[in-house]
Amino acid sequence: QKEVEQDPGPLSVPEGAIVSLNCTYSNSAFQYFMWYRQYSRKGPELLMYTYSSGNKEDGRFTAQVDKSSKYISLFIRDSQPSDSATYLCAMSGGGSNYKLTFGKGTLLTVNP
Amino acid sequence: KAGVTQTPRYLIKTRGQQVTLSCSPISGHRSVSWYQQTPGQGLQFLFEYFSETQRNKGNFPGRFSGRQFSNSRSEMNVSTLELGDSALYLCASSPPRGVDEQFFGPGTRLTVL
Repeated sequence: QKEVEQDPGPLSVPEGAIVSLNCTYSNSAFQYFMWYRQYSRKGPELLMYTYSSGNKEDGRFTAQVDKSSKYISLFIRDSQPSDSATYLCAMSGGGSNYKLTFGKGTLLTVNP
Repeated sequence: KAGVTQTPRYLIKTRGQQVTLSCSPISGHRSVSWYQQTPGQGLQFLFEYFSETQRNKGNFPGRFSGRQFSNSRSEMNVSTLELGDSALYLCASSPPRGVDEQFFGPGTRLTVL
């Protein structure tokens, strides 16, 4: 079983739709959870950074962490064509563990 | 504030050669991490440096090595290149307050022929 599982999609939605992206994980030591957006031929861009269970909102983006279920989500409201990209979840154990473990990424296309 | 910069952006090498990639972190960031990204394996952690010391290493062969300089700039080296080393190599830097919060550069795309 992979440490982090992410549905690769692809996911295609109309402009204005609410998008839900999800990851599950198996390592209960993970404490920090991140979502990155990666456009084609670019490096990943940090979107959301959370610690502990609960919700965090930033503009049209909401990150949700459920540690009891080992499940994290990213919601995008009022999706725009410019949101079309690959979304990667990442997590780390904190402390002296300085590596991020990534999901494979979900390719999202928002159609105008 | 300028972002993470990586040079070169593109590189073509042949099997058996070696390559050195360079990374300049965001000003004030002292931790630098390296990742390999391929379509099949996704993003995989190579190693992380802080104050010129390697603190963590991923599961890659010894052909992959790195170092960090006193100005926090970092280099990674791959010796005896193999076809499977073709990938996007990404460097990320972290602010002093949170090493887990990593900001990535644009990457170096390495093609091994």
